[in-house]
Amino acid sequence: DQQVKQNSPSLSVQEGRISILNCDYTNSMFDYFLWYKKYPAEGPTFLISISSIKDKNEDGRFTVFLNKSAKHLSLHIVPSQPGDSAVYFCAAIITTEGASKLTFGTGTRLQVTL
Amino acid sequence: DVKVTQSSRYLVKRTGEKVFLECVQDMDHENMFWYRQDPGLGLRLIYFSYDVKMKEKGDIPEGYSVSREKKERFSLILESASTNQTSMYLCASSPGQGGSPLHFGNGTRLTVT
Repeated sequence: DQQVKQNSPSLSVQEGRISILNCDYTNSMFDYFLWYKKYPAEGPTFLISISSIKDKNEDGRFTVFLNKSAKHLSLHIVPSQPGDSAVYFCAAIITTEGASKLTFGTGTRLQVTL
Repeated sequence: DVKVTQSSRYLVKRTGEKVFLECVQDMDHENMFWYRQDPGLGLRLIYFSYDVKMKEKGDIPEGYSVSREKKERFSLILESASTNQTSMYLCASSPGQGGSPLHFGNGTRLTVT
């Protein structure tokens, strides 16, 4: 039972354009969401997060949007750069459960082309 | 900067062998985690620990056990390795507060032949 889903396994975007990565979840108890970025042969690194009490969080070129009623979040990268090429995982937590036990999606491979 | 160190980048083991994957973190984090990453399946939680000598099963604990004798070290044990345990194994740590981002090691790619 996949509680966090990333339905696009891959995405190709031209340098300078916007990249939009999508994520859906089914468990309404999730109250905190994170995006991680992973390069080959490295561990995932934290990118940006959002609490369920917000609908938007921005950090430089990265913005995460949360639509609680649709149980959907998205990561926008503007402008996209070749160094953004990586696998992106969304993840969700029920913070009241305490130990930051993340449930991850299956990942989307982003390729930013020149 | 948080450092999570996994002792091996690559391991090749035979079916039936006992395998130990070691992980050490240097930030005095309470929580430590073991995930495996497989194509099309994302990251799945095997076990986690929120304190020394404490452990909790994750989503796929079958065939694995863990040990946390010291706060900084969290070991994953494959009691009798099988080919379906060939995977990338990722260790992570986080402070005690719920919602804190996880800090990951660089992973161990285990091949069981």
